[in-house]
Amino acid sequence: AQTVTQSQPEMSVQEAETVTLSCTYDTSESDYYLFWYKQPPSRQMILVIRQEAYKQQNATENRFSVNFQKAAKSFSLKISDSQLGDAAMYFCAYRRGGYGGATNKLIFGTGTLLAVQP
Amino acid sequence: AAGVIQSPRHLIKEKRETATLKCYPIPRHDTVYWYQQGPGQDPQFLISFYEKMQSDKGSIPDRFSAQQFSDYHSELNMSSLELGDSALYFCASSLGANNSPLHFGNGTRLTVT
Repeated sequence: AQTVTQSQPEMSVQEAETVTLSCTYDTSESDYYLFWYKQPPSRQMILVIRQEAYKQQNATENRFSVNFQKAAKSFSLKISDSQLGDAAMYFCAYRRGGYGGATNKLIFGTGTLLAVQP
Repeated sequence: AAGVIQSPRHLIKEKRETATLKCYPIPRHDTVYWYQQGPGQDPQFLISFYEKMQSDKGSIPDRFSAQQFSDYHSELNMSSLELGDSALYFCASSLGANNSPLHFGNGTRLTVT
């Protein structure tokens, strides 16, 4: 079974600084996707960034970028120029690709609570 | 753009009562997923439907049932509610069962007293 591990329950960053959130996963699949979701106090689940396992290039979305190390099964999220609005719970998630006879659900890590200090 | 609609937003029930949560996917989306997120927990997969058929099942109690209707909306029925069922229930939808992104609704917060 696939697992997702986030070893940092809480992180803190100063406004305008850079922070990196860690995520590791375990899978025997070769076709999969990795995601970072943000959950602010409103509890809405917001997609931050997505990475296809077959792509070597790291995904980037504005101030958010990932460091995808496939061999190490590591998928960290870097937030540059942190803003107060970035304060939230961040979940790393895994999703199998291809078709295995069932829908490919998201499997979440336990989350990292990010605080942004003014 | 239209998003995933969940109703109600908040629901308060007593122990042993029944609750029904509704999910309206993004138009043309044919796949629906239900997740349960307890306080301070990560979302746990409950069940999913693809083209109105159950396609995967996770840690859904036997007291819960769900279905997807002909218009692709889905309902999660919860009976004999327990205090531990208090949680945020998310619905997500996607186009196709496999590789397209999941879009989440804002969730239904269920409180069992």
